[in-house]
Amino acid sequence: NAGVTQTPKFQVLKTGQSMTLQCAQDMNHNSMYWYRQDPGMGLRLIYYSASEGTTDKGEVPNGYNVSRLNKREFSLRLESAAPSQTSVYFCASSSSFFTDTQYFGPGTRLTVL
Amino acid sequence: ELKVEQNPLFLSMQEGKNYTIYCNYSTTSDRLYWYRQDPGKSLESLFVLLSNGAVKQEGRLMASLDTKARLSTLHITAAVHDLSATYFCAVEFRSGYALNFGKGTSLLVTP
Repeated sequence: NAGVTQTPKFQVLKTGQSMTLQCAQDMNHNSMYWYRQDPGMGLRLIYYSASEGTTDKGEVPNGYNVSRLNKREFSLRLESAAPSQTSVYFCASSSSFFTDTQYFGPGTRLTVL
Repeated sequence: ELKVEQNPLFLSMQEGKNYTIYCNYSTTSDRLYWYRQDPGKSLESLFVLLSNGAVKQEGRLMASLDTKARLSTLHITAAVHDLSATYFCAVEFRSGYALNFGKGTSLLVTP
């Protein structure tokens, strides 16, 4: 039981490049989330998926898109990376939509030059 | 405006001492979470507080919730070095709605 896994762990992009961050969970959770963490800012919600087949914007969605591929997988795409998107990205999942403890993945450290 | 404020943001304390981290939030909440994050690591769930007066304890950490005061506390008893980490509180402002995180309290326990 791996919990929540994320790939890659580290990534360096140039401004304007695109990439997809992958997230998978093996806990049969219904809900999945993407957060970004910046120094001194806590965690901010980018997008979430309350259940398979649904996605919604969080607090800071601009510049990102998501896909809930199936119940296990939730990907985050940066279409045209900007330096302001340099951050640590965490994926999380929970059994019920926000009414249960969220379990976090190990994070992806992204640098945009 | 939905706000979650933690204080202090930085805390250096000696081993063996007691201290409290405070989490204030701006509007009515259904539940509150405490998470721990070690440097360069992910977040680990510590406590979920579901109702007014809820108190939970795990080892040297005890969390409580006062929904009337919109305040949660994380009390550290007889601190040890292993407790050095960043602690976040997160508040669910409406049932089934987003979690709002505080900025975190970076705790360093020194000999």
